[in-house]
Amino acid sequence: NAGVMQNPRHLVRRRGQEARLRCSPMKGHSHVYWYRQLPEEGLKFMVYLQKENIIDESGMPKERFSAEFPKEGPSILRIQQVVRGDSAAYFCASSREKGAYEQYFGPGTRLTVT
Amino acid sequence: QQPVQSPQAVILREGEDAVINCSSSKALYSVHWYRQKHGEAPVFLMILLKGGEQKGHEKISASFNEKKQQSSLYLTASQLSYSGTYFCGTEFNNNDMRFGAGTRLTVKP
Repeated sequence: NAGVMQNPRHLVRRRGQEARLRCSPMKGHSHVYWYRQLPEEGLKFMVYLQKENIIDESGMPKERFSAEFPKEGPSILRIQQVVRGDSAAYFCASSREKGAYEQYFGPGTRLTVT
Repeated sequence: QQPVQSPQAVILREGEDAVINCSSSKALYSVHWYRQKHGEAPVFLMILLKGGEQKGHEKISASFNEKKQQSSLYLTASQLSYSGTYFCGTEFNNNDMRFGAGTRLTVKP
């Protein structure tokens, strides 16, 4: 049973380019969460999605960031016009149900903006 | 809404015990504990639901005091493999989880 998969594992972008991060949840999981982690810091919630729906995006910056989880295919976190401050590790997690169920984390995508 | 963890860092000798605390200013629905090693993804340890239950995982156990809105993680007879950063995640009214800033645990031989 494959775990949560994220790709790419490492992504380098120049300022102003777009970054697309992909997350495939565990089989049977329909709840996906995205977190951002700066070096030596904690996990900051960004967005929670179910298939085709954004449930909570309260942690997402209002501009340049968007997320989707289509009916078919992986969840995608998209960052437009990246800036140096976007450099971080972005983790995706999935769970079988919402609430009081463990979240399984993917290996993360380390984004570096030059 | 972010829970507060204490201490921020702990250094132990192999075989010693440690307690990590996680507190919230709001009523909690559940508390999750994760461990993250450097450069890796967080790994789930355990989840506690409101009701004051305790759980154990090898020599790591946790309690959840609903009235005090806090949880504690107990590590007994620590091993080198316990080193890492421990995060608590809290849910309010079955809503999305928010993580604390983490407690960095270092176990030395």
